[in-house]
Amino acid sequence: GAGVSQTPSNKVTEKGKYVELRCDPISGHTALYWYRQSLGQGPEFLIYFQGTGAADDSGLPNDRFFAVRPEGSVSTLKIQRTERGDSAMYLCASSYRIRVMNTEAFFGQGTRLTVV
Amino acid sequence: AQSVTQLDSHVSVSEGTPVLLRCNYSSSYSPSLFWYVQHPNKGLQLLLKYTSAATLVKGINGFEAEFKKSETSFHLTKPSAHMSDAAEYFCVVSDNDYKLSFGAGTTVTVRA
Repeated sequence: GAGVSQTPSNKVTEKGKYVELRCDPISGHTALYWYRQSLGQGPEFLIYFQGTGAADDSGLPNDRFFAVRPEGSVSTLKIQRTERGDSAMYLCASSYRIRVMNTEAFFGQGTRLTVV
Repeated sequence: AQSVTQLDSHVSVSEGTPVLLRCNYSSSYSPSLFWYVQHPNKGLQLLLKYTSAATLVKGINGFEAEFKKSETSFHLTKPSAHMSDAAEYFCVVSDNDYKLSFGAGTTVTVRA
């Protein structure tokens, strides 16, 4: 596809369960980002990948959250022991890196996670 | 530390009248500033960005913003609102080229 693809678009899970959210970036984009958007707020940075490695994971709220990008393309955000406070829209974005700069980030439509 | 404050949570305008969305930023460095728009059930879309070139930045769909360092502001304007401009707008600051700090957003409604 032409844009950033996130699956599923909606996920409802029970408190305490484990969930995985998937992001397919735009082909060729080396940089990938995860953000979380709670209701009525702006998105908040979670983690940034350059290639396969997490270059900055300072936004992950606690050790229940983990993200991987094993082949430098698709990324998975993993949340263990989900809590009701994890309910939010999870957004993924990707961009090119030219020399030492990242270009404009393109966002997916997000995965809405609801923990009941 | 980088942050933005969007001064209005809601703005309502009549179609054909000007739109003004206000944003103040805080940054330790020479920041990059952006405006993004989010339509219902659609992804965030970049409207325009400032990266230390011209202080008046023109974006898509007739929007423009002016960077004023002395006022630490980056207000978004459009001379004539269209019904399709109804959406959520986010002012964004970045001290580097990967971590974006979003404001809380301004919801724009356009009256016919």
